[in-house]
Amino acid sequence: EVRLVESGGGLVQPGGSLRLSCEASGFSINDHFMHWVRQSPGKGLLWVSHSTNHGTTPTYADSLEGRITISRDTAKNTLYLQMNSLTVEDTAVYYCVRDSPHSRFDLWGQGTLVTVSS
Amino acid sequence: QSALTQPASVSGSPGQSITISCTGTSSDVGGYDRVSWYQQYPVTVPKVMIYEDTKRPSGVSNRFSGSKSGNTASLTISGLQAEDEADYYCCSYTSQNKWVFGGGTKLTVL
Repeated sequence: EVRLVESGGGLVQPGGSLRLSCEASGFSINDHFMHWVRQSPGKGLLWVSHSTNHGTTPTYADSLEGRITISRDTAKNTLYLQMNSLTVEDTAVYYCVRDSPHSRFDLWGQGTLVTVSS
Repeated sequence: QSALTQPASVSGSPGQSITISCTGTSSDVGGYDRVSWYQQYPVTVPKVMIYEDTKRPSGVSNRFSGSKSGNTASLTISGLQAEDEADYYCCSYTSQNKWVFGGGTKLTVL
């Protein structure tokens, strides 16, 4: 079955860190750009970051740059998102997304909820 | 990196056609053939309905179509059905090698 499964979300205090994981099955992330997209409660979609499959520099949303790092482990077929200095505004469901290609976000994980609260 | 501009809500009666606009700039919507549209029901993950401005993935009803003029892309749903009631988001690739979504449009079928 072709799918993406995120993990690593949870409750974290302001200023804390989390690393989200996204394990792909049924296809190789080596064949695709991969993205993280988030959705705050009751709000719209926000593109967070992308990782290429040919080693070029990843990019980040302007509002998050400097606090997040995207990476991939092709041996584990897994995408990661390291998030630091979290604030309450980072509370959201974080989706892992496959790009197939040319900005066609055709496969989404079920999302992992990150809650930043004291 | 400003969000693309979509109307907050649109509505239509069953059988009618509606169009949702998505306005950006020449650095995103107008600069590339990379606008996509997503349908999202409450508490579900988004589903791609249109990609590369006008292309429809297999399995998506031909009642959904995409177009673009200048810096504004549009999603048209013809023969509106109750099941089309959902949130719709546009997304575009940008000149900064980043992506940007619109704010989303809530479609109500009257």
